[in-house]
Amino acid sequence: AQSVTQPDIHITVSEGASLELRCNYSYGATPYLFWYVQSPGQGLQLLLKYFSGDTLVQGIKGFEAEFKRSQSSFNLRKPSVHWSDAAEYFCAVGAEYGGSQGNLIFGKGTKLSVKP
Amino acid sequence: KAGVTQTPRYLIKTRGQQVTLSCSPISGHRSVSWYQQTPGQGLQFLFEYFSETQRNKGNFPGRFSGRQFSNSRSEMNVSTLELGDSALYLCASSATGRLNTEAFFGQGTRLTVV
Repeated sequence: AQSVTQPDIHITVSEGASLELRCNYSYGATPYLFWYVQSPGQGLQLLLKYFSGDTLVQGIKGFEAEFKRSQSSFNLRKPSVHWSDAAEYFCAVGAEYGGSQGNLIFGKGTKLSVKP
Repeated sequence: KAGVTQTPRYLIKTRGQQVTLSCSPISGHRSVSWYQQTPGQGLQFLFEYFSETQRNKGNFPGRFSGRQFSNSRSEMNVSTLELGDSALYLCASSATGRLNTEAFFGQGTRLTVV
């Protein structure tokens, strides 16, 4: 069965420092991979996604992620964190049924705190 | 254009009651998916509707049901509420429901069962 693991429940970084959030997945085929961000009291916003092709994908708000098949990982990175990046981040893998629809399987999330 | 609208935003119900939550997708989107978010279990897929048909269902008991109307608006119903049903319920709309089509999430309905 497909699964997603985010090993870090809570991470604190200083403003201006670099960030890497880890994500490992289990999936039999080439996965659809996503990173979402959720601010308090809000829904989920898509940061970036990987379907195929270039394994380094760029997203919104200066985020990027790298797909590494050999490590079953899809880590999220940002070179310089801003205070407004404080939120909860979710990695997700897409499970597709019959090629016509699918649903997302989410990791438990990593809460990011930013120190001034 | 308007985003995904979920109503109500907050709801308090008593154990044993039933509840109906509503989701209005982005105009033109035909797929609506529902997710339950709890601190313990995280985000879990409930079901997906496309053009008024349930296409996919997660591993939830039959107390959880849904439907979709001809205008793509969707409702989910939970009967015989249990304390463990307290959660944030999110809906997501997409044009096709395919994974290569972006899903847009609403702000959710926070359900508290007392």
